[in-house]
Amino acid sequence: SAVISQKPSRDICQRGTSLTIQCQVDSQVTMMFWYRQQPGQSLTLIATANQGSEATYESGFVIDKFPISRPNLTFSTLTVSNMSPEDSSIYLCSVAGTAIQETQYFGPGTRLLVL
Amino acid sequence: AQSVAQPEDQVNVAEGNPLTVKCTYSVSGNPYLFWYVQYPNRGLQFLLKYITGDNLVKGSYGFEAEFNKSQTSFHLKKPSALVSDSALYFCAVLRYNTDKLIFGTGTRLQVFP
Repeated sequence: SAVISQKPSRDICQRGTSLTIQCQVDSQVTMMFWYRQQPGQSLTLIATANQGSEATYESGFVIDKFPISRPNLTFSTLTVSNMSPEDSSIYLCSVAGTAIQETQYFGPGTRLLVL
Repeated sequence: AQSVAQPEDQVNVAEGNPLTVKCTYSVSGNPYLFWYVQYPNRGLQFLLKYITGDNLVKGSYGFEAEFNKSQTSFHLKKPSALVSDSALYFCAVLRYNTDKLIFGTGTRLQVFP
């Protein structure tokens, strides 16, 4: 499986600011996804990061709040904009191959606390 | 609507005893089912998956899961639990005809010495 890293691993931010999270994979992958895991809850898909085009967002998530970039097949960023305490979560990226039923592998996550 | 249910928030088991973490699903079409584990302050680690074939799937760390179509279940099992198995376990299913995972609410497994 691919080795996935995320930066930063954790951060504490002030409300109203923005944070950009990076996801780096050690090999080219077709699919990259961003998830949110709110405290004590399950994972919710934010969006699919598309290489060279705009991300595909799930219901309840919008580009203005969570802009995503994917300039190549090994790297993606997620920005959490104009943060509020409700954005305090773990943000995880995942990667997968081409086939629909291929396994998604997850990065270690970025633990965000907004004060 | 497609969904995954994990009916138990927490499962407690003594070390050396068998463990079962339950998962039921509701999907259109053939289900593609996954189990992940999350250790404290870590990301999700893949354990095993069912795509097709044998109903009993073997995965990492001695875990296995049994796909039961009639009961729409995919329970995670291990014959002999270890204290180090204590973690949060997530069942997931692929949304029909997409590459998007739907996760259950998670089950916290506590293995006591």
